[in-house]
Amino acid sequence: EDQVTQSPEALRLQEGESSSLNCSYTVSGLRGLFWYRQDPGKGPEFLFTLYSAGEEKEKERLKATLTKKESFLHITAPKPEDSATYLCAVQGETSGSRLTFGEGTQLTVNP
Amino acid sequence: DAGVIQSPRHEVTEMGQEVTLRCKPISGHDYLFWYRQTMMRGLELLIYFNNNVPIDDSGMPEDRFSAKMPNASFSTLKIQPSEPRDSAVYFCASSLSRRPYEQYFGPGTRLTVT
Repeated sequence: EDQVTQSPEALRLQEGESSSLNCSYTVSGLRGLFWYRQDPGKGPEFLFTLYSAGEEKEKERLKATLTKKESFLHITAPKPEDSATYLCAVQGETSGSRLTFGEGTQLTVNP
Repeated sequence: DAGVIQSPRHEVTEMGQEVTLRCKPISGHDYLFWYRQTMMRGLELLIYFNNNVPIDDSGMPEDRFSAKMPNASFSTLKIQPSEPRDSAVYFCASSLSRRPYEQYFGPGTRLTVT
């Protein structure tokens, strides 16, 4: 069974204070690891796909990296508008198109 | 372009009543997913369809839940009879077959069963 654990559960940062979110996973043959962003009262929004260890993806102030056991979402010089819950999900070789999501990290960036 | 449309946005019902949630996926998308989100269990996949055919319903909690996709532009999730533990936000998402993981979520239906 695919499993995803995210840490920390919640993170408060000051504007401009860089940090990282962690996603640890257990999967039988990783087909892909995905990051989503969810704003309060809305559905998740797709951010990144990572397929293999060593891969990196960037979008504005966000950079996602992947190792064989975990992924990091690095946030550089965050702004208040980066406040959201960030969800990590995995797709295993035996999962078909099923994604298994972690419980998310709630990020708050204070001005 | 309109995104995924869900209705109703909020539903309050009494235990034992039938509840029907509706979803219109993005035009041209051939995957449709139903998720449930709670504080305790996070975001869970209930069922997904490919080209209107149910592919994986292993996440459907029990026989009280059923889902249909009669055509490419409409799907329903039905709970009969509803129970208080069904209270959650239910999301519908759709995607293209060449990137099924890049899912576009609707705004969700907040269901409260009293």
